[in-house]
Amino acid sequence: KQEVTQIPAALSVPEGENLVLNCSFTDSAIYNLQWFRQDPGKGLTSLLLIQSSQREQTSGRLNASLDKSSGRSTLYIAASQPGDSATYLCAVAQVGGSEKLVFGKGTKLTVNP
Amino acid sequence: NAGVMQNPRHLVRRRGQEARLRCSPMKGHSHVYWYRQLPEEGLKFMVYLQKENIIDESGMPKERFSAEFPKEGPSILRIQQVVRGDSAAYFCASLNHPTDTQYFGPGTRLTVL
Repeated sequence: KQEVTQIPAALSVPEGENLVLNCSFTDSAIYNLQWFRQDPGKGLTSLLLIQSSQREQTSGRLNASLDKSSGRSTLYIAASQPGDSATYLCAVAQVGGSEKLVFGKGTKLTVNP
Repeated sequence: NAGVMQNPRHLVRRRGQEARLRCSPMKGHSHVYWYRQLPEEGLKFMVYLQKENIIDESGMPKERFSAEFPKEGPSILRIQQVVRGDSAAYFCASLNHPTDTQYFGPGTRLTVL
């Protein structure tokens, strides 16, 4: 059974700092891995999607890496801003499992001005 | 191109009543997933549907819950005889192909009194 773990559960940093969020998964048979952002009381916004054959994806100040063999992904946020404060969710689409997403519990990020 | 739409955004029911949650996928998308987010928990898969077919309902509780995605109209998640433990945020996601990005709606927050 696929399990997704995100560390840390919460993170508080001063504005301008670079930071890394971690995600690990137990079964490497995945189609892709996605990072989402969730604001309080809101839906999910897709940030980056990495296909299983890819190693990383970049969008603006965000960079996500994927090491499928070790079951790890990182989300790097450069020059953090207060507007980055949100919960970041990692999810994998499982092969042979209707491609449904299996989510971690998220990392709650607070960027202090 | 409108995004995934869910309504109502907030729903209050008393124990024993029925709850109907609606999801209109993005235009051209024929795949819909429903997820549930319990308080302080991660999102959990419930059901995967294509037009007029349930593909995977392995995450659905065995009783009281049902889902449909008719040829015309939105996907419906129906909860009969709601209990307090059904209080959660229910999200749907749509996509054009199973290994593509899943686009999430804003969710329906169900409160059972």
